[in-house]
Amino acid sequence: EVQLVESGGGLVQPGGSLRLSCAASGFTFSDHYMDWVRQAPGKGLEWVGRIRKKANSYTTDYAASVKGRFTISRDDSKNSLFVHMNSLKTEDTAVYYCVRVSSGWYWFDYWGQGTLVTVSS
Amino acid sequence: DIQMTQSPSSLSASVGDRVTITCRASQSISRYLNWYQQKPGKGPKLLIYAASSLQSGVPSRFSGSGSGTDFTLTISSVQPEDFATYYCQQSHSTILTFGGGTKVEIK
Repeated sequence: EVQLVESGGGLVQPGGSLRLSCAASGFTFSDHYMDWVRQAPGKGLEWVGRIRKKANSYTTDYAASVKGRFTISRDDSKNSLFVHMNSLKTEDTAVYYCVRVSSGWYWFDYWGQGTLVTVSS
Repeated sequence: DIQMTQSPSSLSASVGDRVTITCRASQSISRYLNWYQQKPGKGPKLLIYAASSLQSGVPSRFSGSGSGTDFTLTISSVQPEDFATYYCQQSHSTILTFGGGTKVEIK
């Protein structure tokens, strides 16, 4: 069974930093692109960014709203996905979901349960 | 970025009704369109990918159609467990975008 379990959320002050983790199991993690998607309280879904697999040089893409502040990384040996978030703003407050990209092109076939990040003073 | 516009933003339906949700892209996205269902407090669930392909395990009352800029998600006979929020998402461009969501409520 595919499982994605996020952790690391919490309360952080504006301008602060936080690292979220996602532990993956039940599939060959290294074979898949992995993304982060977020959802502000009571709002819709917003794509945050992606990291490709080793065969694609682990390259990354980001939404304009987080580019230059967030960095996505992965550790295939530990089946783990990360997002390092710097210079956090109040508008970054959201539930952050770890998502698996399908082997096809390009949909999110599994989602984690999410972890809440609150940016507030 | 490609803008995705869903309509309506909410609707009320009775069990057994046929429900149709539309999604319009700001430019042609071929058939690179996916649909998700989200229930309160849960992560979204994939329903339809590539505009009309039903994800494994999803009931056949769900169907998707369209290409280019205009797409629809149809629930042929809505069931109590279908009351949720539905999102479309385009995967044509490197920068992915979602529609604003459609909340399906019980009448």
